[in-house]
Amino acid sequence: GDSVTQMEGPVTLSEEAFLTINCTYTATGYPSLFWYVQYPGEGLQLLLKATKADDKGSNKGFEATYRKETTSFHLEKGSVQVSDSAVYFCALIRRGGNEKLTFGTGTRLTIIP
Amino acid sequence: ETGVTQTPRHLVMGMTNKKSLKCEQHLGHNAMYWYKQSAKKPLELMFVYSLEERVENNSVPSRFSPECPNSSHLFLHLHTLQPEDSALYLCASSQTGSNSPLHFGNGTRLTVT
Repeated sequence: GDSVTQMEGPVTLSEEAFLTINCTYTATGYPSLFWYVQYPGEGLQLLLKATKADDKGSNKGFEATYRKETTSFHLEKGSVQVSDSAVYFCALIRRGGNEKLTFGTGTRLTIIP
Repeated sequence: ETGVTQTPRHLVMGMTNKKSLKCEQHLGHNAMYWYKQSAKKPLELMFVYSLEERVENNSVPSRFSPECPNSSHLFLHLHTLQPEDSALYLCASSQTGSNSPLHFGNGTRLTVT
């Protein structure tokens, strides 16, 4: 079945540091890939997405590139801020599948000033 | 305003109580979902409704009873819950057939005493 594996947290970084959160997936066919973010006390919000190989999703300074050859969708940001502290979830939907999002377990990110 | 509104935001109930969680989406989507988010566990998909028909029920105990009266509203009726049912319950909606992302509400934090 489909699965998403992301690096375990928690991750703690200083403000302005470079961020990478690794995500790899297993799925038949050609899934669409997503990163969601959950701020404290809130639901999940879509951060960015990519629907085909070599697509780059970007939003709020975050980027992730759909790498089919390595089945990866790593999240990066060049300079993090305290306000980026949240839990980040990698997810996929398999095309032609049953519309269910398959989530990773989430990575808690804490940015210290 | 997320487009998906959940009420109440917080709920405390005893094991013998009956309560309901409500979700309303204003996005014109045709599918709605209930997820359970427990501490240190992956997001669990509970129910999926597509075009107001239940299409997914992931072995959820019968003390959880969903209801989808129309494409904009989703309920989760609760009765005789257990303390381990304490969690954040997230509602989401999407437009099926487009691999579009799910849009989440802010969740209901449920505590069972």
